[in-house]
Amino acid sequence: AQRVTQPEKLLSVFKGAPVELKCNYSYSGSPELFWYVQYSRQRLQLLLRHISRESIKGFTADLNKGETSFHLKKPFAQEEDSAMYYCALSGVGGSEKLVFGKGTKLTVNP
Amino acid sequence: DAEITQSPRHKITETGRQVTLACHQTWNHNNMFWYRQDLGHGLRLIHYSYGVQDTNKGEVSDGYSVSRSNTEDLPLTLESAASSQTSVYFCASSEYGAGWDNEQFFGPGTRLTVL
Repeated sequence: AQRVTQPEKLLSVFKGAPVELKCNYSYSGSPELFWYVQYSRQRLQLLLRHISRESIKGFTADLNKGETSFHLKKPFAQEEDSAMYYCALSGVGGSEKLVFGKGTKLTVNP
Repeated sequence: DAEITQSPRHKITETGRQVTLACHQTWNHNNMFWYRQDLGHGLRLIHYSYGVQDTNKGEVSDGYSVSRSNTEDLPLTLESAASSQTSVYFCASSEYGAGWDNEQFFGPGTRLTVL
């Protein structure tokens, strides 16, 4: 079965520190991977997608097929990065559904 | 501007009652999805639709139903509300066949409490 694992429910760092949110997936094909973010009292929104290899708000994520990982990284965390982050998998068997991980709540302390 | 809306934003109901949550999008997206968000479970797919008259069960579909009579709306019905269905419900939509650009756009959510 397709699965997305985010091992950390909570992650707390200090402002200016590097941050890495872990995501591992299980799928033998070529999945599409995404990071979605939910700021307090806001709706879920796309942060970045692996296919575009973009950097959004200083965040990057590299797909490692050997380790089946798609970790989200930022070299210097900001307080406004505090939010709930979800890793998601799509494209399994041509499906347009998203399979989400359970999420990691990031808190950036001043 | 195109958008996706949900109503009501908050709902309190009693066990056994039928409840319908509305979702309306103006992007003309073919794909629509319903999720529930619970602590410790993240987002779980309830039902989804790839177009008018198309509906499919997701991971946690028991006790829920949907119907798709037009492109814009996908109402979610709880046939007989149970306390286990207390949750925050999110509707989302995306463009069919977008391939790698499969971004889903989410509504603001409906907080449902079943007493």
